[in-house]
This record gives sequence, C-alpha cells and structure tokens, in this order.
Amino acid sequence: GIQVEQSPPDLILQEGANSTLRCNFSDSVNNLQWFHQNPWGQLINLFYIPSGTKQNGRLSATTVATERYSLLYISSSQTTDSGVYFCAVERDNYGQNFVFGPGTRLSVLP
Amino acid sequence: GAGVSQSPRYKVAKRGQDVALRCDPISGHVSLFWYQQALGQGPEFLTYFQNEAQLDKSGLPSDRFFAERPEGSVSTLKIQRTQQEDSAVYLCASSLVLAGGPGTQYFGPGTRLLVL
Repeated sequence: GIQVEQSPPDLILQEGANSTLRCNFSDSVNNLQWFHQNPWGQLINLFYIPSGTKQNGRLSATTVATERYSLLYISSSQTTDSGVYFCAVERDNYGQNFVFGPGTRLSVLP
Repeated sequence: GAGVSQSPRYKVAKRGQDVALRCDPISGHVSLFWYQQALGQGPEFLTYFQNEAQLDKSGLPSDRFFAERPEGSVSTLKIQRTQQEDSAVYLCASSLVLAGGPGTQYFGPGTRLLVL
C-alpha cells in the first residue's frame, strides 16, 4: 500500500519563529489533506491540497504531486500552534480511505 | 449540528465487556469513516460507509469489531468481548463527497476507550 512519511518527527520552536513541515508519499494520490490535532485530540482540517498552493492566514501549503511531496509552512508561530500535524492521502482510483502519516509533533514555547 | 459529534467521549470497560460507540455525522454527508488512533500514532482506517452501505471494512482488526449505519446517518461501532489492545481513541469522520472524490473529511472529537 501507499507509504506516507513526515519530517521532522518532532519540532520545538520559540514563539514567533517560522517552520516547514514535509510530507512524502510513495504513490500518486487524488486527495491530500493536512490536519492539526490539538492537545485535546481534536483533528482540525487545515488544507485540502492535492496539488498547488494555498494560504490561510499564517499557514500555507504546497503540494507537488508529480514529485510526491507536500509542504506545510507555519509563519510567526504561536503557542496555540502546538500539537501534532498530520498529512493524510487518498490514493488514485482506489480512494476508500485516508492513509495518515506518523505526524510531526510541534511544541511552540512562549 | 454544526460538526461531527461522538458519544460517549470517554469509556472505561472491563476486559470481555461489549461496547458501542456512536457517531453523528454532519447532516447530508454521504460518506462516513471510522478510524482507530493508538497513543502516539496517526489514525488508522477501520471502515467506510457510503450512505447505509458498508463498502469497505478492510481495516477492522477482528471479527469482534462491527459497524453499522442503518439509515445512512448515525453510525455505531460495536466492539464485542473487548481486549486491552482495543484501548485507543476511535475517530469518526464524514464527508459530503464519495470516497475517492475531491473533498474534505471532517472529524469528530473521538471516543477514548480504555479497557482494563
């Protein structure tokens, strides 16, 4: 099945710093989403981004489908950005379910 | 409601007990998914419904796990004769589109199951 890798596994930032999270996937996909799981466990959808670039406030994401990776950028990080960021993909012409990566655990220190 | 809701939020069961977990998807959403998330890991797919039809149950770990969505709305995940390895957070998600199509999955808050 499709493999999803995320890097780095853990990231500690000082408030105000910028960061880039990466997601690599092993096969073509027709759906890719980034999620933030807050410390209370709620998964919040950040971006639906199978290709191209999107921005939402301090967050932006880019997916290069032909090279099978996606990047999530966090600028001017805040303590509320802490949590785990997951990349999840649905496969081309199969897509019955998401395959989640292992996540990047982000801690933003005040 | 505005989002996906799940109940109970927390469940403690004795080993061997049966449990039932409920998911109320967003109204009108065709697709409904169940995931299992072990501590420190990403969610893993359990099963998928398109309306009332269970089209994929390949992720269910054993025949002790059973899911239904009889009227194409509310879904119940049942675990029979619970074992300690069933302890996890069970997440429900719904989507307006069919699986494999372009769209977003919206997740509920999860049910945290602890089997003693």
